Amino acid sequence: QLQLQESGPGLVKPSETLSLTCTVSGGSIRSDSYYWGWIRQPPGKGLEWIGSVYYDGNTYYNPSLKSRLTTSVDTSKNQFSLKLRSVTAADTAVYYCARHPDTPMAGGDYWGQGILVTVSS
Amino acid sequence: SYELTQPPSVSVSPGQTARITCSGDSLPKQYAYWYQQKPGQAPVLVIYKDTGRPSGIPERFSGSSSGTTVTLSISGVQAEDEADYHCQSGDSSGTYVIFGGGTKLTVL
Repeated sequence: QLQLQESGPGLVKPSETLSLTCTVSGGSIRSDSYYWGWIRQPPGKGLEWIGSVYYDGNTYYNPSLKSRLTTSVDTSKNQFSLKLRSVTAADTAVYYCARHPDTPMAGGDYWGQGILVTVSS
Repeated sequence: SYELTQPPSVSVSPGQTARITCSGDSLPKQYAYWYQQKPGQAPVLVIYKDTGRPSGIPERFSGSSSGTTVTLSISGVQAEDEADYHCQSGDSSGTYVIFGGGTKLTVL
């Protein structure tokens, strides 16, 4: 059974960089059938797509976050990562990682449990 | 910017059919996906590519598409179906992903 698990700091100071990692177990991230994505959800609000990465490093980003965003993949560790620079309180959210079959536009069929990241001094 | 529009809330009595709509100009060109999300949990995919139902999702969940609107239908609604439902699709060029604002389904 495929599992995804987010990890990283739960508290980030304003203007600093939010860094998260998603570890994939029960399957290989090096697959030409899947894309690996990040989605966030501010408290009490809806879902927002952050971006996706392919095992070869190709990336797809939300235009509204693109200038602050970097995603990457480490196939040796079966992990993919997110870095969001210059964070503000508006970046406070539960961050999820997910697997997307066939295209980065596809629905996520497996999700991590989510990690709450609070931006505060 | 491109948007997907969902009603904020839908209420239905047990045993009835709930219909949740999602509207957007690119829906004729891009597939839609639906998620169910219960409090404190990650979203669960219940419909893919407009009408597909993933393994393990009850048959009472179905999806349909007509022009710029897609609809998630839940027939014979049960108390356990009370949740937030989110639609997802892409912009017309398939460059980025958009979510609807979410709909809270209340089972009366």
